[in-house]
Amino acid sequence: AQSVTQPDIHITVSEGASLELRCNYSYGATPYLFWYVQSPGQGLQLLLKYFSGDTLVQGIKGFEAEFKRSQSSFNLRKPSVHWSDAAEYFCAVGGALQGAQKLVFGQGTRLTINP
Amino acid sequence: EPEVTQTPSHQVTQMGQEVILRCVPISNHLYFYWYRQILGQKVEFLVSFYNNEISEKSEIFDDQFSVERPDGSNFTLKIRSTKLEDSAMYFCASSDIPQAGYTQYFGPGTRLTVL
Repeated sequence: AQSVTQPDIHITVSEGASLELRCNYSYGATPYLFWYVQSPGQGLQLLLKYFSGDTLVQGIKGFEAEFKRSQSSFNLRKPSVHWSDAAEYFCAVGGALQGAQKLVFGQGTRLTINP
Repeated sequence: EPEVTQTPSHQVTQMGQEVILRCVPISNHLYFYWYRQILGQKVEFLVSFYNNEISEKSEIFDDQFSVERPDGSNFTLKIRSTKLEDSAMYFCASSDIPQAGYTQYFGPGTRLTVL
């Protein structure tokens, strides 16, 4: 069965510091991988996605993620965080088959930024 | 940029009452989804819908739930007899046309409170 693990429930970093949010997945076939961000009271905004090709993908707001098949990981990174990055971040995995494919989400990582 | 919209943003209802949550997916998207997020928990898949029928549903999506695409633009989720445990944020999503890889775009959510 598909599953996603985000080991860190809450992370605090200082503004300007680098960030890495961890994501490990379990999926029996070729996965589609996503990172979404949810600001308080808001919906889910797509940050980036991986389908195939280059394992380092760039997203919006200066985020990037690296797919490592050998480690079943898809960690999210940002070289220098801004106070506006404070939010909840969700990693998700979906199928690579045709048709409507459900997403399976991780528990989420809440990011707090210290000034 | 096209967006998924949802109404209402907040719905309060009494236990046992019927509610209908409404969504307008991105036009030209073919696949539609409902997810829910109980406060403090992960986002969970409820149902996917394509070509006017359910493609997949989760164990949560029991006989109390139904979905419908009553016209060319709306996609609705009905809960026939609400329970306290149905209190959650409900997200609608829609997927790209197949060539773009089934990325799911989420609406802002409807917060359902069952009293």
